Amino acid sequence: QQPVQSPQAVILREGEDAVINCSSSKALYSVHWYRQKHGEAPVFLMILLKGGEQKGHDKISASFNEKKQQSSLYLTASQLSYSGTYFCGTEDSGNTPLVFGKGTRLSVIA
Amino acid sequence: EPEVTQTPSHQVTQMGQEVILRCVPISNHLYFYWYRQILGQKVEFLVSFYNNEISEKSEIFDDQFSVERPDGSNFTLKIRSTKLEDSAMYFCASSSASGNTIYFGEGSWLTVV
Repeated sequence: QQPVQSPQAVILREGEDAVINCSSSKALYSVHWYRQKHGEAPVFLMILLKGGEQKGHDKISASFNEKKQQSSLYLTASQLSYSGTYFCGTEDSGNTPLVFGKGTRLSVIA
Repeated sequence: EPEVTQTPSHQVTQMGQEVILRCVPISNHLYFYWYRQILGQKVEFLVSFYNNEISEKSEIFDDQFSVERPDGSNFTLKIRSTKLEDSAMYFCASSSASGNTIYFGEGSWLTVV
């Protein structure tokens, strides 16, 4: 079942912060975050397994609330290079395929 | 760094023709996937493959589609009798284990005319 992402799109000025949310109606085994630039393949950012952990990757971090079946991606002090479409992908169990949300288009402007 | 490679990068085909998209997954990976992305839309799951057989497939993956692992390295997606709406970017992906990071290839852009 496809996760739901919000917002659909966001425009930021350099240095501003953003949060992208991903939620599911089903219990989740894992959440994967990817960023895709126009015309390119999705690039892996991070994976969160059930357990409510938070992960960081430079100024990009994510949390996973297993009980609420949702994950949030935090982008702090955004840079121009952060622009792209962010997809969350979810697995219901260890044996189900990764299913992506519709994506959140992030534009960072100078 | 090991990567998933796909060929061709772009193919134009006439409606009704058959197309084979090829992928070489990362060498020690065991799980293989095909995803599709119509221009401007989300990445859609087509099929997953493990232990020489399909483990999951979506409703998109009907009888028009088939996958094969003809040898130890290649993983192919065959699309029979292509339709205009099959035009999309097709991504191959692989992972070492279920629940692990899935690595995507650069994609094969298919245009059906």
